[in-house]
Amino acid sequence: GESVGLHLPTLSVQEGDNSIINCAYSNSASDYFIWYKQESGKGPQFIIDIRSNMDKRQGQRVTVLLNKTVKHLSLQIAATQPGDSAVYFCAEKIQGAQKLVFGQGTRLTINP
Amino acid sequence: NAGVTQTPKFQVLKTGQSMTLQCAQDMNHNSMYWYRQDPGMGLRLIYYSASEGTTDKGEVPNGYNVSRLNKREFSLRLESAAPSQTSVYFCASRGGQGTPPYGYTFGSGTRLTVV
Repeated sequence: GESVGLHLPTLSVQEGDNSIINCAYSNSASDYFIWYKQESGKGPQFIIDIRSNMDKRQGQRVTVLLNKTVKHLSLQIAATQPGDSAVYFCAEKIQGAQKLVFGQGTRLTINP
Repeated sequence: NAGVTQTPKFQVLKTGQSMTLQCAQDMNHNSMYWYRQDPGMGLRLIYYSASEGTTDKGEVPNGYNVSRLNKREFSLRLESAAPSQTSVYFCASRGGQGTPPYGYTFGSGTRLTVV
């Protein structure tokens, strides 16, 4: 069945370091992937997306990498700041489907 | 501000009571969704409406009903609340065009406790 999962439920990094959050997906028919950030008490917010015909996409301080061979997605956050503390979710869309499937989430905490 | 508005933000119900969670979006989006989020878990889809006039079940529809009242509004009803329905509920919408094309815009959530 379709599933999106994460390698680590929690990640703790030093302020200023780079963060890497990983995600595994199981459906080879997924054609679109999104990373969301959810701060405490708020709804998820879009960070960055990538289509399956791409390997890498960069935004402001964030990069998403897609490895279709091993069905792996990662989110890299450069120079992590206290405001990056949140739970990060990956989501996938299966080709032809109307809805997204979300992973469990990774909590990112920043150490001063 | 444009976005997805959910009401109420907090609610406590007794087992067996009923209530309706309201959701409205002002972005002219076609699709709307209801998710629940439990501690330590991701978002699970309850129901969705791909377009006005249609609704479909998601992963966890039991105990819920929905109504797509018009293009703007999508409500979620609990007919007889159970403690297992204690959760945070999120409504989301998605437009057919724009950036991101399949990204959702989420509301701020309704925290529901059933005692």
